[in-house]
Formats: sequence, C-alpha cells, structure tokens
Amino acid sequence: QQPVQSPQAVILREGEDAVINCSSSKALYSVHWYRQKHGEAPVFLMILLKGGEQKGHEKISASFNEKKQQSSLYLTASQLSYSGTYFCGSGAGWGKLQFGAGTQVVVTP
Amino acid sequence: GAGVSQSPSNKVTEKGKDVELRCDPISGHTALYWYRQSLGQGLEFLIYFQGNSAPDKSGLPSDRFSAERTGGSVSTLTIQRTQQEDSAVYLCASSSWTSANTGELFFGEGSRLTVL
Repeated sequence: QQPVQSPQAVILREGEDAVINCSSSKALYSVHWYRQKHGEAPVFLMILLKGGEQKGHEKISASFNEKKQQSSLYLTASQLSYSGTYFCGSGAGWGKLQFGAGTQVVVTP
Repeated sequence: GAGVSQSPSNKVTEKGKDVELRCDPISGHTALYWYRQSLGQGLEFLIYFQGNSAPDKSGLPSDRFSAERTGGSVSTLTIQRTQQEDSAVYLCASSSWTSANTGELFFGEGSRLTVL
C-alpha cells in the first residue's frame, strides 16, 4: 500500500525550515527518500533502516519511527536548490518500493 | 554514458498501437527496475530484473505490458494496444550490489508516453 505524504505542497522562503511527513498503514522496514526536480530523474537522498534512526544529507535530515510507522524529512535553512518534489518510498526489497504521491517544495528568494 | 539512459524521451502514439521503451542501465549494474509516474502521482513499481533470476513482474498492471532484459544489460518495456490511461512517464532505474546495500537506485530521466 502506498505511503501517505503530507503536506502535498509547501512554499518556503530561503532560510526557512520545513517538515515533510511520510506514514504507512503497513509496517515499515525501511524508508527511502528521493528528490525530483522538474523534468529530471529522481535522485536518492537517504535510506533509514532502524527505528528512531536519523540521517542527514547536507542540511536535510530525516527520522524514522518504526512504532508509529512514519518518517519525517527535515529541510533546515532551505536553499533555492532544495526546490523539487520529495518522495518517500517503502518496501521489503531495495528496489521494489511503494512511493508516496510526493510533496512539492518551492523555495523562493 | 555515466547514467541511466532511456529512449525515446517523448513518444506520442495513437490508441491501440504498440510501443517500445528502452532502458540502458549504468554499466555493471545487475539490477534494473521499471516504474511508472502518472501526472501528480508517485512512482508506481512495474517490474524488477536481478541478474539471471526470473523477473519480478508483480507490478505490471495488465497483460498488455511486458518487459525483457537482454544480456543482463539493456531492457525494453513493451506496451501493446495502448490505452489513454497508459499515458505517463516511464522511469527506469538500476542498482549494483554496492548501491543496493545503501538503498540507492539510479534513475533515468524517463520516457514520456502520450496516448491520443
């Protein structure tokens, strides 16, 4: 079943913070985060495997709460380059993932 | 090339025609995946090839869809008797044993299919 992402879209000014949530009704074994800029290929950001684990990519970090079956992606001190659509994916196998519908992030000057 | 290459980048076809979409994965990557991205939707898993193992076809939406991977490298996704609901961007991704351990899939830019 497809993970549910929220919000669907967010508009930020440079330097502001945002949180993107990803939740599932099924048990999550791993959560994968990707970012896709318009007209480009999705790019891997990070994978989270353990409950409560946090990881980071530049000033983008994420947490994974197994018990709550949810993950959150934190965009800190956003930059213009953070604009794009963020997808979370989950699944038992590395590549056979169920992705959420995506969260569109627009960072303005 | 350094990345996953897909062709054509755009394809417009008439309802009922067959189409073939090609994916050239990163050299040495043993795993290859096809995903479909409909407008405003997430990525929908279609099929997965790993080495010489039988492909995992569990995501193919109907028997009009098929895919093959020749020589463990290039893959072709074929859609027969296309329907308007097949309109989408078809994304191919590949991974190596190493990147599989980190969870990283390398995606191509996709083939945009429009069925009139």
